[in-house]
Amino acid sequence: AQSVTQLGSHVSVSEGALVLLRCNYSSSVPPYLFWYVQYPNQGLQLLLKYTSAATLVKGINGFEAEFKKSETSFHLTKPSAHMSDAAEYFCAVSYNTNAGKSTFGDGTTLTVKP
Amino acid sequence: ETGVTQSPTHLIKTRGQQVTLRCSSQSGHNTVSWYQQALGQGPQFIFQYYREEENGRGNFPPRFSGLQFPNYSSELNVNALELDDSALYLCASSPMTDRNTGELFFGEGSRLTVL
Repeated sequence: AQSVTQLGSHVSVSEGALVLLRCNYSSSVPPYLFWYVQYPNQGLQLLLKYTSAATLVKGINGFEAEFKKSETSFHLTKPSAHMSDAAEYFCAVSYNTNAGKSTFGDGTTLTVKP
Repeated sequence: ETGVTQSPTHLIKTRGQQVTLRCSSQSGHNTVSWYQQALGQGPQFIFQYYREEENGRGNFPPRFSGLQFPNYSSELNVNALELDDSALYLCASSPMTDRNTGELFFGEGSRLTVL
C-alpha cells in the first residue's frame, strides 16, 4: 500500500522568502512522486514529477523538489515566494507512470504575505 | 489542443437521488480517472477507465459506477446519494502509451452538494 503525508496543512511566508512544503511517502515499491498545484475553483496542475531519474527535480514557476529515499521524503521548495504562488499544493505517489491511480496527500495551503 | 472538460460545474441533489457527471478527455488521451475531493482533503481515487473498461478501483462502494465511450469520454454515476457524497469530483485524463509521462491532466471538477 502507498500513502502520502503532508506536514502542515497551512504554510505562510512573506513575499521573497523561501517556500518549503513537506511531503513524506510510504510505498512498498520504488515510487513515482508528483507535486500538483490547485488554484481556487480550478483543477490540479502538475508542478513537477520524479520518475526514478535525477533525484533533484525542477518544475514550473521556479519550484523544485528533491527525492530522498533514506528519508522517504519529496519536499517542495522555491527560493523566493511570489504573491501568485498562493494556492493549495498536493503531493502524490503512484507505483508507476500510470499516475491515474495516484494516492494524494491532504494538501498544504500556501499563503504569501506582502 | 482541447483540455479536459467536465459538466455540470455545480449541482445540488437530495439524499437517495442519483447523479451523472460527465467528462471529455484531453485530445489524444485514452485513459480517464475519476477522483473525489472532499472539503479540506486531497483527491481520493475512485476508478480508472481504459479501452471502455474499468482498469482499477479505489475504496468506493458499487453505487459508484462509470462508463467510457469510444471517443474516450466518460461518465461517473452515483446512486442512492448520501450526505457524505458532497464533494468536488475531478476527472483526469492521460495517454496509456509510451507517450505517458506520468502526468495527469485535470478538469476543473463538478461540485456536488447533497442535501
